[in-house]
Amino acid sequence: SSELTQDPAVSVALGQTVRITCQGDSLRNFFACWYQQKPRQAPVLLIYGEKNRPSGIPERFSASSSGNTASLTITGAQAEDEADYHCNSRDGDHVVFGGGTRLTVL
Amino acid sequence: QVQLQQWGAGLLKPSETLSLTCSVYGGSFSGFFWSWVRQPPGKGLEWIGESNHRGSAKYNPSLRSRVTTSVDTSKRQFSLHLTSVTAADTAVYYCVRDLRGPFDFWGQGNLVTVSS
Repeated sequence: SSELTQDPAVSVALGQTVRITCQGDSLRNFFACWYQQKPRQAPVLLIYGEKNRPSGIPERFSASSSGNTASLTITGAQAEDEADYHCNSRDGDHVVFGGGTRLTVL
Repeated sequence: QVQLQQWGAGLLKPSETLSLTCSVYGGSFSGFFWSWVRQPPGKGLEWIGESNHRGSAKYNPSLRSRVTTSVDTSKRQFSLHLTSVTAADTAVYYCVRDLRGPFDFWGQGNLVTVSS
């Protein structure tokens, strides 16, 4: 079972803003990381640390956190953003993942 | 650019041992931890464990009794062994570069199916 909790599915209208959340006790001490996974592909790192984006990740992806909840925000969702989004964090010596959120762009 | 290329048997019988190896191309090898992550069909990601060239290894508590990881610095490779597999171990297995939090480079994934 996942030790981080994510909503299984979220939808957003094209061009609108959507927030995907991730909850868990480990997030009180460690930053969440966010990944995008498209069908039959490996996940891609979107956000790490407090708000860092790897090279090539569009600025419309941003992150925030408060207490035990981390959030990924997509500002101006595009059709190509339709994908599964996963969060993870360290939890002491281990790593925990959320169950993933399927984003549908309407 | 860092690339991870992984390989191993894709079909196993129950009770057999899963073995996967990942080669790392480009970038530094010794300075990092290297992890394995799996994804059962239609489900989320699960961290299996990590190791580095100094022999330091940490494993998911739920798998610890069956998992071993190793690192071969001379070959720039790291490996996963999971013993006594069952159908519940059927998943796509990924090797990843582990920044002790973010996983920034991923292998292509290997589907491992456990079936009698």
